[in-house]
Amino acid sequence: SYVLTQPPSVSVAPGKTARITCGGNNIGSKSVHWYQQKPGQAPVLVIYYDSDRPSGIPERFSGSNSGNTATLTISRVEAGDEADYYCQVWDSSSDRGVFGGGTKLTVL
Amino acid sequence: EVQLVESGGGLVKPGGSLRLSCAASGFTFSSYSMNWVRQAPGKGLEWVSSISSSSSYIYYADSVKGRFTISRDNAKNSLYLQMNSLRAEDTAVYYCARDREIGPMVRGAPFDYWGQGTLVTVSS
Repeated sequence: SYVLTQPPSVSVAPGKTARITCGGNNIGSKSVHWYQQKPGQAPVLVIYYDSDRPSGIPERFSGSNSGNTATLTISRVEAGDEADYYCQVWDSSSDRGVFGGGTKLTVL
Repeated sequence: EVQLVESGGGLVKPGGSLRLSCAASGFTFSSYSMNWVRQAPGKGLEWVSSISSSSSYIYYADSVKGRFTISRDNAKNSLYLQMNSLRAEDTAVYYCARDREIGPMVRGAPFDYWGQGTLVTVSS
């Protein structure tokens, strides 16, 4: 089965740039979506199809995908960005949805 | 306003059954594929199942295949998850989520709206 690997945690100072990676075999050939989840809340879509941003999501959130790594980049990080972030793809070889293990973003 | 409201969670003994419901409003339910995603306490998200707008396409995670059944009633704007032979490892918050894409199932579509979830606890 297809596996997505995320770092368990990323820490960043306010105003700096956070990069959260999502590794998978030839993930660059798949569409990657990213979700933000704050404690006690449902996930929120923040990036879809690698780099598109839903309405209402700040331009500070961006995404890229190439080779074996997809990356969610958060510029000018704010305290309110502190959350868990999950990447997601569809594994077409097995017709299964797949989530990464999640990354806890801590704003120092 | 799009709303998804799950219900039906609760405490059930191992081997028991439970039926979750997701009531949808604020959009044309019959035009969208729908999904169930779960999250065990303190753990990450796990995709459970997806169903196309007309129920023509249905997919399950290996961990639930043969035990869970996804279905929908477009006349009632409702999504369901029938869970049988429940195990302790099925304990989780279960979310229903809408595909962002309208029309026939787009495998790999993002989930743009989520409910608040319903907690299922499997314990003796």
